[in-house]
Formats: sequence, structure tokens, C-alpha cells
Amino acid sequence: GAGVSQSPSNKVTEKGKDVELRCDPISGHTALYWYRQSLGQGLEFLIYFQGNSAPDKSGLPSDRFSAERTGGSVSTLTIQRTQQEDSAVYLCASSPPWQQETQYFGPGTRLLVL
Amino acid sequence: LAKTTQPISMDSYEGQEVNITCSHNNIATNDYITWYQQFPSQGPRFIIQGYKTKVTNEVASLFIPADRKSSTLSLPRVSLSDTAVYYCLVGDPLNSGNTPLVFGKGTRLSVIA
Repeated sequence: GAGVSQSPSNKVTEKGKDVELRCDPISGHTALYWYRQSLGQGLEFLIYFQGNSAPDKSGLPSDRFSAERTGGSVSTLTIQRTQQEDSAVYLCASSPPWQQETQYFGPGTRLLVL
Repeated sequence: LAKTTQPISMDSYEGQEVNITCSHNNIATNDYITWYQQFPSQGPRFIIQGYKTKVTNEVASLFIPADRKSSTLSLPRVSLSDTAVYYCLVGDPLNSGNTPLVFGKGTRLSVIA
């Protein structure tokens, strides 16, 4: 079946511009995660959605970062006024109900801020 | 949320067995242990999951002692293609609350010819 998809796969933007990253989780998965990974670094948790509960935003690095999940499915991560240090791979993952340990990852969006 | 500790990096020659140990001293009764593998430029992928004793699949084995305060991922006869970062994750799969499961820095395994 279809896995987690993300778009765009690559994004180059200028400092100060806003960007939107999209994630389509696996159908039926109730949990959705956003992570960030800088070159050579481990995964950095950003935000977590679980069903209709309020999202856990504790990992968002600044108020320039926001995310929403519409209809319990597609999610959009928005970065406003991008900075060069925002350059990284942004990974989205989803997990099925009652299997929160098993996260299925998308291919990621590679963001480069010039 | 149980915190995990893994070695930052490991080196191995091709054909050898590699064991990566993860410490999780404050693991809770309902927590499971899950390992992920991440190749360069790809997202992490699920390898194996277990609760106690030993679990084996086509990719790896997972050994969990009785006290469950640690676990060891065993990769038999590694090849160059096993070069990746391996993440240990501990949490309760039945937790439908608002606690996310997050990854640590993982163990960077380098397999040498």
C-alpha cells in the first residue's frame, strides 16, 4: 500500500521567505509526527498530532514554526521568515492506532535556505 | 517517557556480528522497545520491536534481559549496506495520550570492507 508521502522533495528558498511543507500520512494512521534532521545529526522532534487531541508543539524551535493537520489526515508544516539555520531535512512520520512505537517515515523534504 | 542511551558510533568489518546496546533504566511496565535504521538521505525505517526475552526477524535479533533496563540489537554478518544510524526507542504502544515518542541521536554504524 501507499506509504507516507511528502512534498516537495526539495525546496530552495531565500532567507526571509515563508515555506510550506506537506505530509500525507498512511490512511488510517491516527498519529503524525514532524522531525527535523540537520546534516550528520540525529532526529529532532518538532511536533506531534494524535487524533483529535491538541498537538504537542514542545519541539518547535521558535514561533516561526507552526503546523496543522486538517481532517485528521494531511499535515502542513509552515516556516515563516526562514533563516539559514532552518536548512535541514524535514521528516514526517505516521503511526497506526495502538502502535505508536511503529512510525512509518516519509522520504523527507530537503530545505535549503540561501 | 523512558530516556535511552546508546553509543554514538561503532565500527565493524564485513561479515562480523554487530551488537548495539541501548540503556533504558527507567523503562515502564507497559513500554516496548523498538529499533529503527536510517540510511543516509532517507527517513528512518522500523527494524524490530520487542517487550522481553528475544525477538528475531529476517533483519535482526533483539535481546532483552529480564530487568528490561537495556536491550541489544544484533545484526548478523553485517555488510557494507548495513552502514546506517540505528535508533533505540522505548515507549508504550498503547498510550493513546499526548506523549510523543522521540528519537535520541542514535548509533552510527560504519561497516568496513
